[in-house]
Amino acid sequence: SQQGEEDPQALSIQEGENATMNCSYKTSINNLQWYRQNSGRGLVHLILIRSNEREKHSGRLRVTLDTSKKSSSLLITASRAADTASYFCATDAPLSPTGTASKLTFGTGTRLQVTL
Amino acid sequence: EPEVTQTPSHQVTQMGQEVILRCVPISNHLYFYWYRQILGQKVEFLVSFYNNEISEKSEIFDDQFSVERPDGSNFTLKIRSTKLEDSAMYFCASGGWEQFFGPGTRLTVL
Repeated sequence: SQQGEEDPQALSIQEGENATMNCSYKTSINNLQWYRQNSGRGLVHLILIRSNEREKHSGRLRVTLDTSKKSSSLLITASRAADTASYFCATDAPLSPTGTASKLTFGTGTRLQVTL
Repeated sequence: EPEVTQTPSHQVTQMGQEVILRCVPISNHLYFYWYRQILGQKVEFLVSFYNNEISEKSEIFDDQFSVERPDGSNFTLKIRSTKLEDSAMYFCASGGWEQFFGPGTRLTVL
């Protein structure tokens, strides 16, 4: 199955430091997405990187994708206490004949704790 | 900014009862999804819906589950006879390549 597995499972850093989370998956993908989930809350979409992209930036977020290693990383720079959450990678494959929809397969997540 | 909404936020029901979870997807989206997350576990795909029919469903989505888009704006998930193991957070999502999730409905089956 296209399982995303994140590591580390938990990460504790101080405010201002960078946080790096990694994700590995098993089969070929079209896209890889990262989501954030605050405790007991919904999933917030952070960023999507396509299989033909190697790096993408959005604000303090930097995502890399290495399809040869079937892995991705999420870097949060200059972390803030508000970044405390669980972070999930999710991979997809096309469902429809036009390839414009996909179910997502989520990883186990990294719990990030940012302390003051 | 448009967002996916879900009601209720929390539903408590007795085992064997029927529940309907409601979602309002983002208006110009064409694909709709339901996922669930049992406490402490991964988010799992249940079903996808496009053009008024199911595109794909997981093995979790058995005959006790059904989905409907009754009026062009709402998207519902019905569980006919709830079991204890149906207790989970249920997320609706809409979109295409990017999927945008609602805040979830926490279902507790007693």
